Amino acid sequence: GAVVSQHPSRVICKSGTSVKIECRSLDFQATTMFWYRQFPKQSLMLMATSNEGSKATYEQGVEKDKFLINHASLTLSTLTVTSAHPEDSSFYICSPQSGNTIYFGEGSWLTVV
Amino acid sequence: QKEVEQDPGPLSVPEGAIVSLNCTYSNSAFQYFMWYRQYSRKGPELLMYTYSSGNKEDGRFTAQVDKSSKYISLFIRDSQPSDSATYLCATQQGAQKLVFGQGTRLTINP
Repeated sequence: GAVVSQHPSRVICKSGTSVKIECRSLDFQATTMFWYRQFPKQSLMLMATSNEGSKATYEQGVEKDKFLINHASLTLSTLTVTSAHPEDSSFYICSPQSGNTIYFGEGSWLTVV
Repeated sequence: QKEVEQDPGPLSVPEGAIVSLNCTYSNSAFQYFMWYRQYSRKGPELLMYTYSSGNKEDGRFTAQVDKSSKYISLFIRDSQPSDSATYLCATQQGAQKLVFGQGTRLTINP
């Protein structure tokens, strides 16, 4: 089956610092990448959609300057949380799409202290 | 009104029981319907994928779609403690983004 590698799985950072989360599709090419955020006991909330080589499209209410998304290749996308604050603490999940098939990473737990 | 409505539960049933999980959706343009299982602190994994109205069975799992009433269901037979997880329904229009329900937390008690 398709393999999606998302790192780090857990990260703790200090308030005001930046954190980068990587998502790699190991055996397929992801033409589209979705990034989700999930707060405890809540559903997945789409943050942004990006296509390889293009700027990401952000959902309403998601700050594009705070959540930087790079989708430079068909196998790698990154989400950088800049100037993180405690309210950014959440579970972040990447979701690469290949054709009509959507996959999910294992998620990254971010805790901002 | 949310595009996809799902009772968040929690739902707790004894081992061996039949579990019924349900969602309703509002957009008749949705074409694809999925059920995902998410264990605590893990990413979602695809359980069932359906396109048309009717039933689709895979082992102990049956997905049911009724497009006329915009209602989707997941049935789990002979439920096991290992089935304890959050179940998310999702819909999709064409190749567009998934729209998720809130997720139902299910606990199967031994």
